[in-house]
Amino acid sequence: TQLLEQSPQFLSIQEGENLTVYCNSSSVFSSLQWYRQEPGEGPVLLVTVVTGGEVKKLKRLTFQFGDARKDSSLHITAAQPGDTGLYLCAGASYGQNFVFGPGTRLSVLP
Amino acid sequence: NAGVMQNPRHLVRRRGQEARLRCSPMKGHSHVYWYRQLPEEGLKFMVYLQKENIIDESGMPKERFSAEFPKEGPSILRIQQVVRGDSAAYFCASSRSDTGLPGSSYNEQFFGPGTRLTVL
Repeated sequence: TQLLEQSPQFLSIQEGENLTVYCNSSSVFSSLQWYRQEPGEGPVLLVTVVTGGEVKKLKRLTFQFGDARKDSSLHITAAQPGDTGLYLCAGASYGQNFVFGPGTRLSVLP
Repeated sequence: NAGVMQNPRHLVRRRGQEARLRCSPMKGHSHVYWYRQLPEEGLKFMVYLQKENIIDESGMPKERFSAEFPKEGPSILRIQQVVRGDSAAYFCASSRSDTGLPGSSYNEQFFGPGTRLTVL
């Protein structure tokens, strides 16, 4: 059974600070996705990474896929209150369905 | 191009009643996935369907739960004789395909806004 762990589980920071959240597994994934979910809404896809070592940037968000494709990180620069939400990673393997991590709940205080 | 649509957004049922949750995938998407999310938790996979076929129902409880994705119309998740433990947010996602290169735009999942089921 594939499992994804995310850390930290909760994170509360001040506006303007930088942060990194992590997604780890003992399994190898062919692709990994990051989502942000706001209260009362469905998850919104932020990025998909597929190549080991790949780095993708989306404005102030930087996503990295580990060389071995077992882990990923999301770094946010100069966090804003609008970044508040639940950040979920999901991994997919050949012929398998997506597996979701439990999420990191981020709160950015003004 | 409308996104994934789910209805109702909120559903209240009494114990023993039936709940029907509907999901219309994005245009051009033929794959539908249902997930359940409890408060303060992540998403738990329930079932994966293509038109008229259940591909993987390994996450679905064996009793009272069923899902379908007919040739015409939305996908439906049906819960019979609901119990309080069924109270949760149910999300539907769709993708264009699960074939092609992994990580391609073809198998990216896009989620609907969810249906929040409350069982009294």
